[in-house]
Amino acid sequence: DTEVTQTPKHLVMGMTNKKSLKCEQHMGHRAMYWYKQKAKKPPELMFVYSYEKLSINESVPSRFSPECPNSSLLNLHLHALQPEDSALYLCASSRDEGYGYTFGSGTRLTVV
Amino acid sequence: GDSVTQMEGPVTLSEEAFLTINCTYTATGYPSLFWYVQYPGEGLQLLLKATKADDKGSNKGFEATYRKETTSFHLEKGSVQVSDSAVYFCALSEPTGANSKLTFGKGITLSVRP
Repeated sequence: DTEVTQTPKHLVMGMTNKKSLKCEQHMGHRAMYWYKQKAKKPPELMFVYSYEKLSINESVPSRFSPECPNSSLLNLHLHALQPEDSALYLCASSRDEGYGYTFGSGTRLTVV
Repeated sequence: GDSVTQMEGPVTLSEEAFLTINCTYTATGYPSLFWYVQYPGEGLQLLLKATKADDKGSNKGFEATYRKETTSFHLEKGSVQVSDSAVYFCALSEPTGANSKLTFGKGITLSVRP
């Protein structure tokens, strides 16, 4: 298995809703990442988990809450989002920096 | 800090034309370099990579050579196809372990006409 699987592919939520994005990989990668990508822009790093521990938080607002239940799973819990949070949310994993990251196909989030 | 600079876009070419997309970088150490491609409505796919100076990465007819003396990693393809239409990102990561960060360029949109 050489893929990163993200669910759902599309999500529409209201500003008072609570939802979660899920990411799964079975490549034995020990680092997992959440990125946010706005249209026509490069991905922006949000969080890094290394060996199931949060190692980098790029000053992301607390309405985004990451969780890494085990080495294969990464969640992003969403609460009280704003319309400007609408974007493509990408999950990625890596074995080591020299091998590159494997990205999932993303969740396209719309906040209404 | 680290940075990646890509040529301004968009780029429009006719099918079978030669492609060059310029990428230069600034880094404090000896980074690994990558090209990622994003097709419409999809996530990023690793196109090719190089981990040390003079390495050449290649995949699907695309090539890029890690040039330390010019801090460049230009992407080339001899004959583009309509299916190559996508956004291309140059990126680097410093060798700081499994949780090292990817630094992206701004990306460039390539459109190939039949």
